[in-house]
Amino acid sequence: EDQVTQSPEALRLQEGESSSLNCSYTVSGLRGLFWYRQDPGKGPEFLFTLYSAGEEKEKERLKATLTKKESFLHITAPKPEDSATYLCAVVTNAGKSTFGDGTTLTVKP
Amino acid sequence: DTAVSQTPKYLVTQMGNDKSIKCEQNLGHDTMYWYKQDSKKFLKIMFSYNNKELIINETVPNRFSPKSPDKAHLNLHINSLELGDSAVYFCASSLSGHNEKLFFGSGTQLSVL
Repeated sequence: EDQVTQSPEALRLQEGESSSLNCSYTVSGLRGLFWYRQDPGKGPEFLFTLYSAGEEKEKERLKATLTKKESFLHITAPKPEDSATYLCAVVTNAGKSTFGDGTTLTVKP
Repeated sequence: DTAVSQTPKYLVTQMGNDKSIKCEQNLGHDTMYWYKQDSKKFLKIMFSYNNKELIINETVPNRFSPKSPDKAHLNLHINSLELGDSAVYFCASSLSGHNEKLFFGSGTQLSVL
C-alpha cells in the first residue's frame, strides 16, 4: 500500500530561522512528487513537482529536494507570510495520487 | 477570474438530506477531481473525470454521485447525508492526468447536523 508521511506535524519558527519539512514515501513506482501550500480556508496551491532522485527546485525562500525515499522542503530565512500548511503528494506510475497529512508552519515575527 | 470555482462555500444541513456541490473550471483542463479533506487536513481523492468520463472512483459510498455535463464542470451530489460526511470538499482540475499539477477550488465546508 502506498504511504506518505510528513513530519513534523507542526513547526513553529522565529522569523529568519531556517528549517526543513520532511515527506517520506513508500510507493510502488514513483511518477512524481508534488508540494502544495494551503492557507486557512483556501484550497492547496501548487509549489513544485519533482520527478527523479537528486532533482531540486527553488522558488524564493523555498527549495525542494528528492531522494528515493523522501523529499525535503527547505525554508530559508522564513517570513510570517510563509505561515501555512505544506502538503506533499506522490503520484504513482499507475496514476494514483496519495497526499500526506501536512505540516503546519507558523513563523513568528 | 477564478480558475476553479465551487459553490457553495459553506453548506449546513440536517442528516438524511440530499445536497449538491457545483464546480467549474475555466482553464481548459481535461481532468477534474473531487477530494475530501477531513479535520486532520488529510486529503483523499474521491473521483476523477477525464473529458466527462469517470476514470477514478475510490472507495466512496454510492450515496455520492459525481456528474460531469461537460469537461469544464464536475458536480457532486450527495444523498442521505450522514454525520460522517462532514468535511471540506475540494474540486480540482489538471491539464491531463494525475502526473500534472492540480489547481484547487477554495473548498466547500459541509456540516451535517
